[in-house]
Amino acid sequence: AQKITQTQPGMFVQEKEAVTLDCTYDTSDQSYGLFWYKQPSSGEMIFLIYQGSYDEQNATEGRYSLNFQKARKSANLVISASQLGDSAMYFCAMRPPGAGSYQLTFGKGTKLSVIP
Amino acid sequence: GAGVSQSPRYKVTKRGQDVTLRCDPISSHATLYWYQQALGQGPEFLTYFNYEAQPDKSGLPSDRFSAERPEGSISTLTIQRTEQRDSAMYRCASSLGGRSNEQFFGPGTRLTVL
Repeated sequence: AQKITQTQPGMFVQEKEAVTLDCTYDTSDQSYGLFWYKQPSSGEMIFLIYQGSYDEQNATEGRYSLNFQKARKSANLVISASQLGDSAMYFCAMRPPGAGSYQLTFGKGTKLSVIP
Repeated sequence: GAGVSQSPRYKVTKRGQDVTLRCDPISSHATLYWYQQALGQGPEFLTYFNYEAQPDKSGLPSDRFSAERPEGSISTLTIQRTEQRDSAMYRCASSLGGRSNEQFFGPGTRLTVL
């Protein structure tokens, strides 16, 4: 079974600074996918970034990058140049390998607050 | 449609009543998922459909929960004899299917069981 751990219930960051949100995972599989989603106070779930376990380079999407360390089983999200609109819950998730294994396993989330 | 839609957005019911939640996925998406999200937690997988087939029901918490997608498009999630512990946000997501990376989530239905 897969497990996602997000150890930071809440984080604060100054506007325009960078912030790292931690995510560790537990799996015995070699092939898997890792995701980050943003959930603002409006409640929607917004896809941010994806990393495949065999991807050699860390994923980047605009101000978001994923610091993937496979040996340590960590997939931390780095947000550069924080903006007030980045204040939200952030969820790390994993998809296991294999045909038909489509569901995501989510962590408990980290609440990020950006301070002006 | 342009995105995943769910209805109703809010549902309040009394314990013991049946409720049915609806999900209308993105029209080109073959795969549809249902998740349950308790307050302060991440979403938890309930079940998914590949077109009208339902290969995995393992996340459904009890036999009071059932889901359908009879024509491979709109899906419903039904909870029979609701209990207070069923109170949660119920989220639907869809994707193109296969190994597609992104699941697009709907706005969710907030269910409150009194």
